[in-house]
Amino acid sequence: GQNIDQPTEMTATEGAIVQINCTYQTSGFNGLFWYQQHAGEAPTFLSYNVLDGLEEKGRFSSFLSRSKGYSYLLLKELQMKDSASYLCAVRASRAGGYNKLIFGAGTRLAVHP
Amino acid sequence: DTAVSQTPKYLVTQMGNDKSIKCEQNLGHDTMYWYKQDSKKFLKIMFSYNNKELIINETVPNRFSPKSPDKAHLNLHINSLELGDSAVYFCASSQDTPLGAGWKETQYFGPGTRLLVL
Repeated sequence: GQNIDQPTEMTATEGAIVQINCTYQTSGFNGLFWYQQHAGEAPTFLSYNVLDGLEEKGRFSSFLSRSKGYSYLLLKELQMKDSASYLCAVRASRAGGYNKLIFGAGTRLAVHP
Repeated sequence: DTAVSQTPKYLVTQMGNDKSIKCEQNLGHDTMYWYKQDSKKFLKIMFSYNNKELIINETVPNRFSPKSPDKAHLNLHINSLELGDSAVYFCASSQDTPLGAGWKETQYFGPGTRLLVL
């Protein structure tokens, strides 16, 4: 089966660092995405990992361990505008060669002054 | 310039009606998707088309029928609407190739269509 777990809610203070974890159990794993979704808006792409290790992109970094079925998104120097839902999505390969994204339920992050 | 656009943005209708949502992308992508996001914010794939060919068809009631007139458009028609169909429907597109490189397959989402069935 396919299963993706991430915390439902997190809170953090402006200027701090927060780590959002994601664990997954999927067949045909072929990469992991993080998306950001502000309330009432569309998800927007943040990061992609297919190999183990850390990918850094400005204030955002994402880590993947395929053997542990684990990823995290690290947000540094938090700003109020980072208050949003963060969706972990696993890319799973399927018969016929096409992939599909399986999304977790998302982690709602609230940043306080 | 809007990359992925959907119409309408809001749709309020009565149970039993038939409605359509339209999606267009100007990114030149080969693959388009329909997702449903329910009240618990779970984003779930419904359909995917690659070059006008249906490649993903999840367990969705057959009241939902996608149509892709060309690779830049993917419409969703819903017959006999039910209360449980109330959700936000997102269209997305990607340049998707079989077992292709991940960086090419980032999905870009439209603004969503908020459907409320009364």
